[in-house]
Amino acid sequence: GQQLNQSPQSMFIQEGEDVSMNCTSSSIFNTWLWYKQDPGEGPVLLIALYKAGELTSNGRLTAQFGITRKDSFLNISASIPSDVGIYFCAGTTSGTYKYIFGTGTRLKVLA
Amino acid sequence: GAVVSQHPSRVICKSGTSVKIECRSLDFQATTMFWYRQFPKQSLMLMATSNEGSKATYEQGVEKDKFLINHASLTLSTLTVTSAHPEDSSFYICSARERQGSPYEQYFGPGTRLTVT
Repeated sequence: GQQLNQSPQSMFIQEGEDVSMNCTSSSIFNTWLWYKQDPGEGPVLLIALYKAGELTSNGRLTAQFGITRKDSFLNISASIPSDVGIYFCAGTTSGTYKYIFGTGTRLKVLA
Repeated sequence: GAVVSQHPSRVICKSGTSVKIECRSLDFQATTMFWYRQFPKQSLMLMATSNEGSKATYEQGVEKDKFLINHASLTLSTLTVTSAHPEDSSFYICSARERQGSPYEQYFGPGTRLTVT
C-alpha cells in the first residue's frame, strides 16, 4: 500500500539537542498527524494538524502542516532520554478518514 | 480518556488453528475501529475498517475470509485469524475513532503479538 516518506530514517542525538524530522508525499493530504511508538506498544497521538500552514505545539513538540499540503515536519526541542522511540506521521486524503502511515523515524537519544 | 485495550497482548498458536483478538474502547464509544498489521521494523499497514453493526471493509490484498472482523458493539471489535500460518505472525494493532471527537483522530491499542508455530 501507499506510504509516506519520512526522513531521516533514524538518528542519534545528544540529550538536550533539538530534533527535526519530516514527512513528504507526492499527493495532497487533508490532515497530518504525528504519533510516537515505543517498542512493543501501540502508537500514541502527539499532534494533529488540520489546515495548510498550521503550526501546533504540544509541550516540547512542534509540528507544521506544509503550505503545499504535501508535507509536514515535527520538531522536538531539548530532547530527553524518554524521547527515544519511533515517530510516525500519518495523513488522510480527501473523502476518507483512513490513515496512510509514514515509514517512521527511529530516534535514539544519548545521555 | 480515549483508552483502547487489546486482548491478548501475546499469543502463540499452532499452524492451522484460529485465534481471536479483542479490541475494546474503555472510556468512549467508537463508531469506527481499524485493524493494522505491523511487521518488524516496518510501518503500520491498514488491514480493514470496521463500523459498528455493519460489515468490515478490507484493504486490497487482505483476505476477508482469513481475517474475520466483527464489530458487535460501540466498544468492542474482534479480529479472528483463521487457519493461521507462520507468515501470519505479526504485531496486530487496533485503533478506534471517538464518536464524539474528531473524525480524523485515532486512538491505538497496545497491540497483540501473534506467533504461529
